[in-house]
Amino acid sequence: AQSVTQLDSQVPVFEEAPVELRCNYSSSVSVYLFWYVQYPNQGLQLLLKYLSGSTLVKGINGFEAEFNKSQTSFHLRKPSVHISDTAEYFCAGKTQGGSEKLVFGKGTKLTVNP
Amino acid sequence: DAEITQSPRHKITETGRQVTLACHQTWNHNNMFWYRQDLGHGLRLIHYSYGVQDTNKGEVSDGYSVSRSNTEDLPLTLESAASSQTSVYFCASSGRVYGELFFGEGSRLTVL
Repeated sequence: AQSVTQLDSQVPVFEEAPVELRCNYSSSVSVYLFWYVQYPNQGLQLLLKYLSGSTLVKGINGFEAEFNKSQTSFHLRKPSVHISDTAEYFCAGKTQGGSEKLVFGKGTKLTVNP
Repeated sequence: DAEITQSPRHKITETGRQVTLACHQTWNHNNMFWYRQDLGHGLRLIHYSYGVQDTNKGEVSDGYSVSRSNTEDLPLTLESAASSQTSVYFCASSGRVYGELFFGEGSRLTVL
């Protein structure tokens, strides 16, 4: 099955601590991979994307992600989080086989506490 | 700037009524999608379209329909609203090749 798995549904951290949100994708998902962020009562916005090239991808708001083909992972990291990073984060990948669809993980709720 | 807009942003309706949620994009994208978001289920695909006159069912299409008469618009219709369709609905569009989605702000629908 084509799937993207986010291993943690909730991640609580303290302000200024580092954070890693984990994402694994199945072999039937293409290597066009994305992280989206959803702030409360808003739509999803693109945080970063991996299409090809360097395996370390930098995004907005100080986030970065590393594409690891051998481990089929695309984990999201930030070295020091802020209260304003509290949001839900979705990992997604384009399905293989000519489809134009993305398959989404179920989301990780990041809560940054003071 | 190009954008994708949804209307209404909030709607309350009664069981059995027909409801239409509008989606309009100015990205000139061929691909458009409707998702619903519910706690514990993440985003689930309802219907999608790869171009004018093309529509396809997603994983939770029962009770919903779409039509695509031009590039910019993909309205979502609930023929007879049910309480199980209370949700937040997101419209999105994408260009070809990479699949990167651009989302609207969402429409919160409550069916009483």
